[in-house]
Amino acid sequence: GAGVSQSPSNKVTEKGKDVELRCDPISGHTALYWYRQRLGQGLEFLIYFQGNSAPDKSGLPSDRFSAERTGESVSTLTIQRTQQEDSAVYLCASSPSIGLNEQFFGPGTRLTVL
Amino acid sequence: AQSVAQPEDQVNVAEGNPLTVKCTYSVSGNPYLFWYVQYPNRGLQFLLKYITGDNLVKGSYGFEAEFNKSQTSFHLKKPSALVSDSALYFCAVSNYGNNRLAFGKGNQVVVIP
Repeated sequence: GAGVSQSPSNKVTEKGKDVELRCDPISGHTALYWYRQRLGQGLEFLIYFQGNSAPDKSGLPSDRFSAERTGESVSTLTIQRTQQEDSAVYLCASSPSIGLNEQFFGPGTRLTVL
Repeated sequence: AQSVAQPEDQVNVAEGNPLTVKCTYSVSGNPYLFWYVQYPNRGLQFLLKYITGDNLVKGSYGFEAEFNKSQTSFHLKKPSALVSDSALYFCAVSNYGNNRLAFGKGNQVVVIP
């Protein structure tokens, strides 16, 4: 079956512009996660959604970052007024439910802020 | 807060030799431990997990990991490494009720033919 997909695969933008990254989770997965992976670093948790519950936004690094999810489908991560330090690979993952299930990762979006 | 340490940046091993990738963790409560592998230009792939039960967990591609509570470790092992095992390996931990996975910085494994 189809895995987690993300678009675009690469995004180059100028400092100060807004960007929107998209994630399509595996159908039927109720949990969706966003992570950031800076060059040479591990994954940094950003936000997660579980069904209709309020999202856990505790990992968002600043108020320039926001994310939305429509029901149990597509999610978008928006970064406003991008800065060079936002350059990273943004990874999305989904899982059938919270807690003990492994997360299935998409290929990521590589964001470069010039 | 949970955290993971992967002390070695790179692990070099000759093809056919045993491979070990080290991971130690810190978490309040019972740990739930995961290993993922990342091949170049691809997303993370799940290898194995420890939730409860036997301390030795077997996973994909011949990998296994041993949970050691007293040493707070979850080292990844493979008896005989293949060149195709060359990749970036991440250890991750969470505790039940906390859905955030804390990842280590990753270990680059290089298997030398």
